[in-house]
Amino acid sequence: QLVESGGGLVKPGGSLRLSCAASGFSFNSYDMNWVRQAPGKGLEWVSSISSSGSYIYYADSVKGRFTISRDNAKNSLFLQMSSLGAEDTAVYYCARDYSGLDVWGQGTTVTVSS
Amino acid sequence: DIQMTQSPSSLSASVGDRVTITCRASQSISSFLNWFQQKSGKAPKLLIYATSNLQSGVPSRFSGSGTGTDFTLTITSLQPEDFATYYCQQTYSNPSTFGQGTKLEIK
Repeated sequence: QLVESGGGLVKPGGSLRLSCAASGFSFNSYDMNWVRQAPGKGLEWVSSISSSGSYIYYADSVKGRFTISRDNAKNSLFLQMSSLGAEDTAVYYCARDYSGLDVWGQGTTVTVSS
Repeated sequence: DIQMTQSPSSLSASVGDRVTITCRASQSISSFLNWFQQKSGKAPKLLIYATSNLQSGVPSRFSGSGTGTDFTLTITSLQPEDFATYYCQQTYSNPSTFGQGTKLEIK
């Protein structure tokens, strides 16, 4: 199971940190991803991190502004978001990667507005 | 970045119909193609991974095929619960990218 938290309303230019708590599986064995969905739009892959944290990738749209990280001891995934703009308004999902994104959280909503 | 283009963008069909959704990559992605189903207000659900492998628990009326740049998702004998939006995703290279989605509606 994956449970996201940390979403909310933030002003343009602000920062937010999302968390994803994992349970029921060996978190440290899986790569993890963040995927977002703007209101009424399709899915957008945001970032991924390997099981050890050694390999990290970002979408061009968030590179330099978002930082993915994980704490395997606490079975947790994070997404630090800064310099937020209206285009970052979305539901953010964390997802486990095992031959595809096979386990998803329920999502946490981020709204960037003044 | 690899662009993924789905067609059609929307589709109307009836219960019992067979439907096919196409996904085209802007360059070859071998077989690194996944399909997801998303219902309104819910998280996506993995249906097919690596082009043609059915995810555990997914009904056998769903199937996938293709290689290189052209891929298809086929649903035989549509059921009421299949009306949803479908997305393809390439994982051949980073950044991973999704198609724009295909909304399957009841005729």
